[in-house]
Amino acid sequence: QVHLQESGPGLVKPSQTLSLTCAVSGDSVNNGAFYWSWIRQPAGKGLEYIGRFSKTGSDYYNPSLEGRVTISADTSDSRFSLTLRSVIVADTAVYYCARVGQYHGNWYFDYWGPGMLVTVSS
Amino acid sequence: DIQMTQSPSSLSASVGDRVTITCRAGQTISIYLNWYQHIPGKAPKLLIYAASTLQRGVPSRFSGSGSGTDFTLTISSLQPEDFAIYYCQETFTNALTFGGGTTVEIK
Repeated sequence: QVHLQESGPGLVKPSQTLSLTCAVSGDSVNNGAFYWSWIRQPAGKGLEYIGRFSKTGSDYYNPSLEGRVTISADTSDSRFSLTLRSVIVADTAVYYCARVGQYHGNWYFDYWGPGMLVTVSS
Repeated sequence: DIQMTQSPSSLSASVGDRVTITCRAGQTISIYLNWYQHIPGKAPKLLIYAASTLQRGVPSRFSGSGSGTDFTLTISSLQPEDFAIYYCQETFTNALTFGGGTTVEIK
């Protein structure tokens, strides 16, 4: 069974950098069969796809965040991270990490973390 | 980005009811459509991918149908653990846009 768990600071000041880590058990971020992804949900709003990375494939970032966001593997093969630079209040959200697979060209998010709230406030 | 519109936004139902949730895509997406269940505070759960393929371990009371622009998630007999928020997601584009969600509440 695959488990994911988000961690990091729950409060970030505007203009600073948000850094979150996703711990993966039951799989490895070096597994080239999957991508590893971040999704967020501002309070009262829908889910927003942030982006994905893979050790063996091409990365993708939401164009609305491109230039501020990086998703990458940590030095261990069981963690990956999200870095969001120059944060603003509108970046306040629950952040989820997820594993992403493909089936005949159809992407699917088969395992998710429980999410963690990050608040951007001075 | 493709707009994904779910209806209704919320519904009230009783245990044992048949429940149907609709998702409409702003352009044709073939069968590139997933459904997720989310109980707040817990990890979202993949129910159905490729419009109608049941994810391993998901009870058979859940089913999905549709292609093109119109899709349906059906719960044949609602159980207490099914009260949750349901999201559709297009996977036709890299944006992987989610619908706004449908909250299934206890009547």
